[in-house]
Amino acid sequence: SSELTQDPAVSVALGQTVRITCQGDSLRTCYASWYQQKSGQAPVLVFYGTEYRPSGIPGRFSGSTSGDTASLTISGAQAEDEADYYCNSRDTSDKNQKLLLFGGGTKLTVL
Amino acid sequence: QGQLQQWGAGLLKPSETLSLTCAVNVDSFNLYYWTWIRQPPGKGLEWIGEINHSGRTNFNPSLKSRVNISVDTSKNQFSLSLTSVTAADTAVYYCVRGHTVTRFVRFDSWGQGTLVSVSS
Repeated sequence: SSELTQDPAVSVALGQTVRITCQGDSLRTCYASWYQQKSGQAPVLVFYGTEYRPSGIPGRFSGSTSGDTASLTISGAQAEDEADYYCNSRDTSDKNQKLLLFGGGTKLTVL
Repeated sequence: QGQLQQWGAGLLKPSETLSLTCAVNVDSFNLYYWTWIRQPPGKGLEWIGEINHSGRTNFNPSLKSRVNISVDTSKNQFSLSLTSVTAADTAVYYCVRGHTVTRFVRFDSWGQGTLVSVSS
């Protein structure tokens, strides 16, 4: 099966822009979705595809994809954006099997 | 109240069976795949499996021999069963609404999570 690879940790200065990446072969054919998880809480979907932001999610969250890499960008990071971020997609390596994948997660620190 | 409410035993002994149920309070129950995802303490998310309204299931190969997911459409509920648990199954288990038959795979509504601990 495929994997989704994320950097374990990323930091950003308050108000600056940060990009969190997710790399995997399946992203060439299936879009990524992104989840924010704060300590002790359930994950929250913050973006999917390259243009879809769920209702209630601030406009500073956006997504993109290029080849086998998907990115979540936070433009003007706020203190409340400090959290773990996970990417998700579908494993497309085996057409006879349906498998959903998560990246290992990126811990975002806002300085 | 949230759209997904889950319940089940939180403390198990090794070799016992984990059982969790999730009640769904949304319209169009038939449009989604109803999913279980777990998260060991301090670790990442793992997809366990899913079921649709007609009972079609898909499971993570790593758990397939021990897992079952069932659905009760009359109550808008679905359930997880995981047999022969060990300490490695200790995790927070989430029931989730999934859009998984599309290139835009996503999970957009999550239950509150249930911590299941396995200890002798």
